[in-house]
Parts: sequence; C-alpha cells; structure tokens
Amino acid sequence: NAGVTQTPKFRVLKTGQSMTLLCAQDMNHEYMYWYRQDPGMGLRLIHYSVGEGTTAKGEVPDGYNVSRLKKQNFLLGLESAAPSQTSVYFCASRGEQDRYEQYFGPGTRLTVT
Amino acid sequence: DAKTTQPPSMDCAEGRAANLPCNHSTISGNEYVYWYRQIHSQGPQYIIHGLKNNETNEMASLIITEDRKSSTLILPHATLRDTAVYYCIALIQGAQKLVFGQGTRLTINP
Repeated sequence: NAGVTQTPKFRVLKTGQSMTLLCAQDMNHEYMYWYRQDPGMGLRLIHYSVGEGTTAKGEVPDGYNVSRLKKQNFLLGLESAAPSQTSVYFCASRGEQDRYEQYFGPGTRLTVT
Repeated sequence: DAKTTQPPSMDCAEGRAANLPCNHSTISGNEYVYWYRQIHSQGPQYIIHGLKNNETNEMASLIITEDRKSSTLILPHATLRDTAVYYCIALIQGAQKLVFGQGTRLTINP
C-alpha cells in the first residue's frame, strides 16, 4: 500500500513549456486534490475532484487544468508555464468515510525559469 | 471558514510537553478544529480534530475551550521528530478545502 504517490519529484521548465504532474493513490479514495505551496506560505487549493470524471476549481485555478479519467489518478497540467508557477505541488486524497483526514503525497518541486 | 490565529514560532525541550495555542474566535457551531503538521519538505500529516469535547489519540491531545474560541494542541512528550510547522484549521467536516494559514513553527531542542 503505497498511499499517495507523485510523479515527478523535481522538474525544471522554461517559460512557455508545458507539463503534466501525475498523482496516484491506491486507497480507492473518491476525493482528490491538488495544492501548491510557495516558500514560507501555507498550502493553497488549485483544483479538486469528488469522483472519477469530475473536477472543480479551488482557490487558485488559473493557469492549470486537471483531469480525473481514472479513480486512482489525478493529473495536473500546466499548458504554458510561467515563473509565478514555481512552487511545490502537493496532491492529496480522501475517502468518503474519512470526513476529516486528507492523505498527502510527498510533493513535486517545480521551477520555471 | 473561520479564521485561525497561531503564534509564528515556539520552542520546546525534548521530553517535555509542547502546548500549541490557536485562536478561532469566529468559529461557527458546525465547524470543527483540525490540526495538521508539516515536517520539512514533506506533505502535511493529519494529527487530530474536535468539535467541542477534548480529544486524545496516539499522537496528541486537543483541548477546546468551553466557548470554542480557542484550543490547544498538546504533544505530551515531544521528540526531535516533532519539529515541524503545525497548522490549526477550522472548517465544516467533510469540506473540500483545507485552508492552511502560516501555522506555528515548533522546534524541539535536545
């Protein structure tokens, strides 16, 4: 049981490039989330999903797209990366029965130059 | 979601109890108090939550005042591995968005 995994762990992009971050969970959780964390700050919600095939905007969705084609995977896409998107990205998941606990992945450190 | 206020940093000696305060004076009746922590460079980890009664689990105890305007997270025997940023969050159970403020940076000293 690996929990929540994120791919890749580190990435450097040039401005304007695109990339996709992958989050996978093996706990059969319904809910999945993408957060970003800037230096010295708390996490902010980008997008989330309440089930396979659904997505919704969070607090800071601009510049990102997401897809949840399979229940276990939640993808975060950057179509045209900007330096302001330099951050650490965390994925989390929660089961229907876990009304209070989100399980977080180890994070992806992204630098956009 | 109610706003929470925490001290930016605290120190505690190893083996002693660490008491982390949190103010949430605007909390509503159906909002729970949650605590998460984030050890350096890792994803946040759930610790405990409560509504109005005091709660205890294997990690910590949560003391909520009778008027629910503040609470204290207690780590009974702090170890060096408890050094982390601790976040106090007030929100409705099952809400989608965890709102992480600045948290308290707790340093456990040997």
